[in-house]
Amino acid sequence: QVQLLESGGGVVQPGGSLRLSCAASGFTFTTHSMHWVRQAPGKGLEWLAFIRSDGSDIYYGDSVKGRFTISRDNSQNTLYLQMNGLRAEDTATYYCAKDFWGLFFDYWGRGTLVTVSS
Amino acid sequence: EILVTQSPATLSVSPGETATLSCRASQSLGSNLAWYQQKPGQAPRLLMYHSSTRATGIPVRFSGSGSGTEFTLTISSLQSEDFAVYYCQVYNNWPPQFTFGPGTKVHIK
Repeated sequence: QVQLLESGGGVVQPGGSLRLSCAASGFTFTTHSMHWVRQAPGKGLEWLAFIRSDGSDIYYGDSVKGRFTISRDNSQNTLYLQMNGLRAEDTATYYCAKDFWGLFFDYWGRGTLVTVSS
Repeated sequence: EILVTQSPATLSVSPGETATLSCRASQSLGSNLAWYQQKPGQAPRLLMYHSSTRATGIPVRFSGSGSGTEFTLTISSLQSEDFAVYYCQVYNNWPPQFTFGPGTKVHIK
């Protein structure tokens, strides 16, 4: 079965950096696009970034463009999110999600919590 | 930029009743809309895609309809496990953006 396991969350000071990882299994990672989505405490869902299966296309949401970088290592079945210049408003649970039809998200990880605080 | 609204924000329903949730987009989307269910402390789960297609394992009491800018999720004969927050999500071609609605919380009346 499809499994997505995020890691790398924690507490970081404003202006700091963090790299999240998402280990994928149960499907052919190399042929599927992937996403990062986040959810601030008590708030709704916000799409952050998309990467095509071979890394040839990458898109970002406006709130993270220029600060966050999505990447993947297909040899390790792992998705990454490098987060720089973190702000208090980046505090959220970060989910990786498998792309479906290039339009939707059919499987989600359990998420990893990132807290930006001094 | 596509704007997505959902109504109502909260919905009180008794078990066994029908819940009707709405999602509206500021631009026509064809049928490029999905619905997700999220329970407290859990990740979202895909319910419906392409507006009206149930995802794998989703019970038939969930149905979706609509196209263009107006979409509806109907949950018939609500069960206790259906009380959750429901989000709609749309996709815009250019610039490529995936946008969620603010959610509708369905709770027990």
